[in-house]
Amino acid sequence: NAGVTQTPKFRVLKTGQSMTLLCAQDMNHEYMYWYRQDPGMGLRLIHYSVGEGTTAKGEVPDGYNVSRLKKQNFLLGLESAAPSQTSVYFCASSYYGPIYNEQFFGPGTRLTVL
Amino acid sequence: RKEVEQDPGPFNVPEGATVAFNCTYSNSASQSFFWYRQDCRKEPKLLMSVYSSGNEDGRFTAQLNRASQYISLLIRDSKLSDSATYLCVVNSNTGGGNKLTFGTGTQLKVEL
Repeated sequence: NAGVTQTPKFRVLKTGQSMTLLCAQDMNHEYMYWYRQDPGMGLRLIHYSVGEGTTAKGEVPDGYNVSRLKKQNFLLGLESAAPSQTSVYFCASSYYGPIYNEQFFGPGTRLTVL
Repeated sequence: RKEVEQDPGPFNVPEGATVAFNCTYSNSASQSFFWYRQDCRKEPKLLMSVYSSGNEDGRFTAQLNRASQYISLLIRDSKLSDSATYLCVVNSNTGGGNKLTFGTGTQLKVEL
């Protein structure tokens, strides 16, 4: 049982390049989330999904797109990377919604945009 | 005012000490509260949920004060392994759905 895994762990991009971050969970969770964490700021929700085939915007969705074609996978895409997207990205999942349920986080992806 | 505020610290305490952190939140309609622990360059992990009546898990005690809109975390008999950043997390129903807001964290350093 691997829990939540993220690929890649590190990445350096040039401004304007695109990339996709992959999140996978093997806990049969319905809800999945993408967050970014920046120094001096709390984790901020980018996008989330309440089930296979669904996605919704979070607090800071601009510049990102997501897809949830399979229940176990949640992809985060950057179409044209900008230096402001330099951050640590965490994926998380939970069985039910976040009200009373623990979120399980992946190990994070450290992204630098030059 | 930030939705969730924490003293960033660091709190430097000797091993065996008792330390307490507070976290204030601005939305009086907030429904659920959590403390997560985050080790350096690692992912956050749930430490404990915070219930209205207060709850304890070993050396850790969490309290909720709805009237003053704060939650607290008390750590007794601190261990070196308790060194980490502690994130306060508050869930609110904004009308557009549930929103989980993370504080910036309080850093704890336990020293010999």
